[in-house]
Amino acid sequence: EDQVTQSPEALRLQEGESSSLNCSYTVSGLRGLFWYRQDPGKGPEFLFTLYSAGEEKEKERLKATLTKKESFLHITAPKPEDSATYLCAVRGVTTDSWGKLQFGAGTQVVVTP
Amino acid sequence: KAGVTQTPRYLIKTRGQQVTLSCSPISGHRSVSWYQQTPGQGLQFLFEYFSETQRNKGNFPGRFSGRQFSNSRSEMNVSTLELGDSALYLCASRRGTGATNEKLFFGSGTQLSVL
Repeated sequence: EDQVTQSPEALRLQEGESSSLNCSYTVSGLRGLFWYRQDPGKGPEFLFTLYSAGEEKEKERLKATLTKKESFLHITAPKPEDSATYLCAVRGVTTDSWGKLQFGAGTQVVVTP
Repeated sequence: KAGVTQTPRYLIKTRGQQVTLSCSPISGHRSVSWYQQTPGQGLQFLFEYFSETQRNKGNFPGRFSGRQFSNSRSEMNVSTLELGDSALYLCASRRGTGATNEKLFFGSGTQLSVL
């Protein structure tokens, strides 16, 4: 069964203090690894898709990287508006994985001014 | 372009009742999936529908069911509600092209409270 573990569970940062979130995964075959951000009371909002080791994607202060066993979400010089829960998810290649994203528990990030 | 729309936004029910939640996907999207989100279990996959057919189902009891209509709109039903069914129910849609990196677009969810 596909599994996703995110660490740390929570992260408190000062504005401008860069950090990284970790997503470790086990999957029989990876179709894609997804990063989402979720604000309180809202559904997850798509950030990135990665699907091969060595791939990197960037968007503003966020950069996602992928290896064969884990992914990192780097937050550079964060601002208070980057406060959210960041979710990692994988989609596998087996029929059991059809249309299904396996999510991690998320990392709650708080950025203080 | 309108996003994924879920109704109602909030719902309060009592144990033993049944409930129906509704989801309208983004125009042109043929695939709709449902997820349950709780503080303890996080986001868990319920089922996915594509062109009115259930393509996959998660590990939930038969009390949880769904359907998709010809216009791609979807409903999910929970019968004989239990206290543990209290959760945020999220609907997500995608085009359904089969591309490996196809992303899901989520609605804001229906917050169900079972008393």
